[in-house]
Amino acid sequence: DAKTTQPPSMDCAEGRAANLPCNHSTISGNEYVYWYRQIHSQGPQYIIHGLKNNETNEMASLIITEDRKSSTLILPHATLRDTAVYYCIVSYPAGSQGNLIFGKGTKLSVKP
Amino acid sequence: DAGVIQSPRHEVTEMGQEVTLRCKPISGHDYLFWYRQTMMRGLELLIYFNNNVPIDDSGMPEDRFSAKMPNASFSTLKIQPSEPRDSAVYFCASSFRTGSYNSPLHFGNGTRLTVT
Repeated sequence: DAKTTQPPSMDCAEGRAANLPCNHSTISGNEYVYWYRQIHSQGPQYIIHGLKNNETNEMASLIITEDRKSSTLILPHATLRDTAVYYCIVSYPAGSQGNLIFGKGTKLSVKP
Repeated sequence: DAGVIQSPRHEVTEMGQEVTLRCKPISGHDYLFWYRQTMMRGLELLIYFNNNVPIDDSGMPEDRFSAKMPNASFSTLKIQPSEPRDSAVYFCASSFRTGSYNSPLHFGNGTRLTVT
């Protein structure tokens, strides 16, 4: 079973920041937080991951609370092409001590 | 970098027939994963390989499913005999490990299987 809780759906206006929350209260000390997204009819796409510190890359920012029990994925300027299902996953790195278990994710709809 | 390549993109077959799905991982990646996605169950891990060796096949639904990785650049997922409930999108993904660093998974675009 997935170890995360995400809202099933969210809307965001084009050009605004999209903030996607994720709760992972049972996260273990060495488990990472991963975010993937899946655009319709495509395979999941890696976005970002982190352990304790906040992370930023060209796609998004990841904010992890100090107690690591929750996190937020931020898409700073959402576009229509960001409409997708976003998965928050807590896991040891895939292939080392476990594997990525995908929950139901959050369906983000970016509207003009 | 061509990414993970899966074939065919679509497969329609009749119940009882053998189905073979194919995957070419990204060159240099030493982990390969097979996932299945349905509306009811979402994305499920079926099996994964490390250096061509199956590591965990606990997600394979039953003996009708088998997966092989004869070399670092090719893997197959076979269903024999196929049943309508096997209808799903099957994804292949690959990743690599260097020292203590594990790369994220890179997914292919999947094979949509329909069993009538």
